[in-house]
Amino acid sequence: EVQLVESGGGLVQPGGSLRLSCAASGFTFSSYAMHWVRQAPGKGLEYVSAISSNGGSTYYANSVKGRFTISRDNSKNTLYLQMGSLRAEDMAVYYCARGFGTAVAGTLAYWGQGTLVTVSS
Amino acid sequence: QSVLTQPPSVSAAPGQKVTISCSGSSSNIGNNYVSWYQQLPGTAPKLLIYDNNKRPSGIPDRFSGSKSGTSATLGITGLQTGDEADYYCGTWDSSLSAGLFGGGTKLTVL
Repeated sequence: EVQLVESGGGLVQPGGSLRLSCAASGFTFSSYAMHWVRQAPGKGLEYVSAISSNGGSTYYANSVKGRFTISRDNSKNTLYLQMGSLRAEDMAVYYCARGFGTAVAGTLAYWGQGTLVTVSS
Repeated sequence: QSVLTQPPSVSAAPGQKVTISCSGSSSNIGNNYVSWYQQLPGTAPKLLIYDNNKRPSGIPDRFSGSKSGTSATLGITGLQTGDEADYYCGTWDSSLSAGLFGGGTKLTVL
């Protein structure tokens, strides 16, 4: 069974940093592209970032480019999102998702339960 | 405002059929596959349709998808109260080199 478990969310001050993690199990992690998607309270889904199966290619929404960094450790079956220069508009539930295959530009087949990031002073 | 346009809400009676549209452009829907996701209240999104019209295992054939040009459509037949949820279309944008979601459509089964 595919499982994705996010962690690392919490309260952070504006301008601060936070690192999210997503522990994957139930599949060969190194064979799949991975994604981060967020959802602000009461709002719709917003695509954040993607990374290829070997970590060699990364992609970002314009809203987070230059502030967030996606990475992965295939030896630990873990996806990361390093978030910096956090703003109030970054407050959201952050979901980790697995692609259907190696292609980054593809379907988000499985989703974690999300971790809440609150940006407030 | 989302690059992919969906109606904010749709409604229909139990047993009826509803369609949800998703409109984009040549850089996204026009040249990439479309997926549809269902988000029940208080839960994570779940994949309903991928590659425009394919259903993952376990998704009933009451759910269908189609694509024409720069628009896509999700259809749901035999509506049930358990179908009440938010529905999102999603795709890749080749110009932005990033994924995209529609703004979401809230389905109410009256």
